[in-house]
Amino acid sequence: GQQVMQIPQYQHVQEGEDFTTYCNSSTTLSNIQWYKQRPGGHPVFLIQLVKSGEVKKQKRLTFQFGEAKKNSSLHITATQTTDVGTYFCAVSYNFNKFYFGSGTKLNVKP
Amino acid sequence: DAGVIQSPRHEVTEMGQEVTLRCKPISGHNSLFWYRQTMMRGLELLIYFNNNVPIDDSGMPEDRFSAKMPNASFSTLKIQPSEPRDSAVYFCASSPSGQFQPQHFGDGTRLSIL
Repeated sequence: GQQVMQIPQYQHVQEGEDFTTYCNSSTTLSNIQWYKQRPGGHPVFLIQLVKSGEVKKQKRLTFQFGEAKKNSSLHITATQTTDVGTYFCAVSYNFNKFYFGSGTKLNVKP
Repeated sequence: DAGVIQSPRHEVTEMGQEVTLRCKPISGHNSLFWYRQTMMRGLELLIYFNNNVPIDDSGMPEDRFSAKMPNASFSTLKIQPSEPRDSAVYFCASSPSGQFQPQHFGDGTRLSIL
């Protein structure tokens, strides 16, 4: 069946350092969404990528969709303590059902 | 606007008991999703509905789990009988109809089966 791999599982950074999480699929995706879940909270939608090679930015966050639509990344520039949480990718192969990655847990030391 | 509302927020019960989780999606959203989150298995899609009709229930673990959506503003996820391995956080999410819609999650129900 379809599988999505998300790496790394954990990332500990010093405040001000950059952070990147990667999402990889063995099968071409129709679209991908990124979510953030704060400790004790629920996943919150961040962005959706649909087009091959697409790049979107939200302040310090940069999202990329690979040319082959099989991988994606989320990059945070100059992390802040408010960035703490788990970042999930959610991939779809047919625009309907989404499969969530295992998430990357980000810890930011002040 | 109210978000997705789930109840109860916490449930602790003994194994063998019936558990019913409830969800009220955002008004106007046509799709509703039930997820289960555990440390071991992450966030798993159990079932999703479109216009109150179950579209894909392949993620439902076994016959002990059932879900209904009797109308556009209410859904239930039932576990009968419950087992300790069902302990998890259960999330309900809803989204508008269409291909490129974000999912809006409720606060979840933290379920503990003793």
